[in-house]
Amino acid sequence: NAGVTQTPKFQVLKTGQSMTLQCAQDMNHNSMYWYRQDPGMGLRLIYYSASEGTTDKGEVPNGYNVSRLNKREFSLRLESAAPSQTSVYFCASSEQGSGNQPQHFGDGTRLSIL
Amino acid sequence: DQQVKQNSPSLSVQEGRISILNCDYTNSMFDYFLWYKKYPAEGPTFLISISSIKDKNEDGRFTVFLNKSAKHLSLHIVPSQPGDSAVYFCAAEDSNYQLIWGAGTKLIIKP
Repeated sequence: NAGVTQTPKFQVLKTGQSMTLQCAQDMNHNSMYWYRQDPGMGLRLIYYSASEGTTDKGEVPNGYNVSRLNKREFSLRLESAAPSQTSVYFCASSEQGSGNQPQHFGDGTRLSIL
Repeated sequence: DQQVKQNSPSLSVQEGRISILNCDYTNSMFDYFLWYKKYPAEGPTFLISISSIKDKNEDGRFTVFLNKSAKHLSLHIVPSQPGDSAVYFCAAEDSNYQLIWGAGTKLIIKP
């Protein structure tokens, strides 16, 4: 029973390199989310996908792109990585975007940009 | 401006006693409030939630209280156990179904 799977778990990049973070869920959820967590701060929403085929910007979308490949998979791409994007990235999914359908999280990708 | 605030970065409680974690918010239009628990190197896991139309929700050792007039909610854990040591996040759902998160409180349960 995997839930939400994120790959890779760790990555170090040089400034200017590109990278795609992968996320897959096996709970048949409609909604998927990408967050970043920085020290001393709560999670901040980067992008979300309310359903297959749709994506919307969250609070901090600049420097990122996303693709909802199918119902299971939602990827996050950094086209030209910057040191400010050093963070822990979490993917989440939920049945629908509502508080009575809580979000389920992966274990995160720890990304360092040098 | 932070719409959801957890003013205590950490809290230390004796095993068996009550743990009380607090959260304040500024937006009176939030529909749901949720508590998540996070262990190191893992993602947050859902703990308990409360609708804005209620003032209390209980699930086993965990109770969440909502005081809308004060824009304040609290999570009570009774009795506290060593496995409860974790970071606890308060989150509020806005009208777009997006979660606004507090910065978290690290709970340490002392044996």
